[in-house]
Amino acid sequence: TQLLEQSPQFLSIQEGENLTVYCNSSSVFSSLQWYRQEPGEGPVLLVTVVTGGEVKKLKRLTFQFGDARKDSSLHITAAQPGDTGLYLCAGAPFWAGGTSYGKLTFGQGTILTVHP
Amino acid sequence: GAVVSQHPSWVICKSGTSVKIECRSLDFQATTMFWYRQFPKQSLMLMATSNEGSKATYEQGVEKDKFLINHASLTLSTLTVTSAHPEDSSFYICSAAGGNQPQHFGDGTRLSIL
Repeated sequence: TQLLEQSPQFLSIQEGENLTVYCNSSSVFSSLQWYRQEPGEGPVLLVTVVTGGEVKKLKRLTFQFGDARKDSSLHITAAQPGDTGLYLCAGAPFWAGGTSYGKLTFGQGTILTVHP
Repeated sequence: GAVVSQHPSWVICKSGTSVKIECRSLDFQATTMFWYRQFPKQSLMLMATSNEGSKATYEQGVEKDKFLINHASLTLSTLTVTSAHPEDSSFYICSAAGGNQPQHFGDGTRLSIL
């Protein structure tokens, strides 16, 4: 069974601060996805990282996939109240060859609150 | 982009009734659909995986007779909560995968059993 440890579970910060969310595992994933979810809605895909060591940027969000494909991080620069939400990381099993056909292993989630 | 539609978005019903939730992939063929359950402020818990035309694979601890899943076509999967009770109240989310599409999620269904 693959596990994905996500931390921190809760994060409450002021507007303008920086933050980092981590996802760690002892298992290797073929890819890792980051989602953002607002209350009463489904998760929305932010990014997929596939290559070990890969770094992807999405405006103020920077995503990194570990060299060994076992861990990932999400860094937000100058957080804004609109960034508030539940952030989820999810790893795709290696046998799926990087596709989404396999079951995703989800982290426990990080509830981010950015105060104005 | 690809869209997954889930219906209804909110349902309230009496204890003992059965409730059907639909999950549709609108512009791609979903060979695999997943059903999740989510409690407040928690991550998603996978309930079952369904492949078009075959029986669903349930996760450990999920009662297959309680949560009936049908994936009769490449664009539609349904989850039926049979003889629902208050403990079945939750947020249910589906996702669909197929072709070159990453897994896309529906907007979820909030189920409240009185």
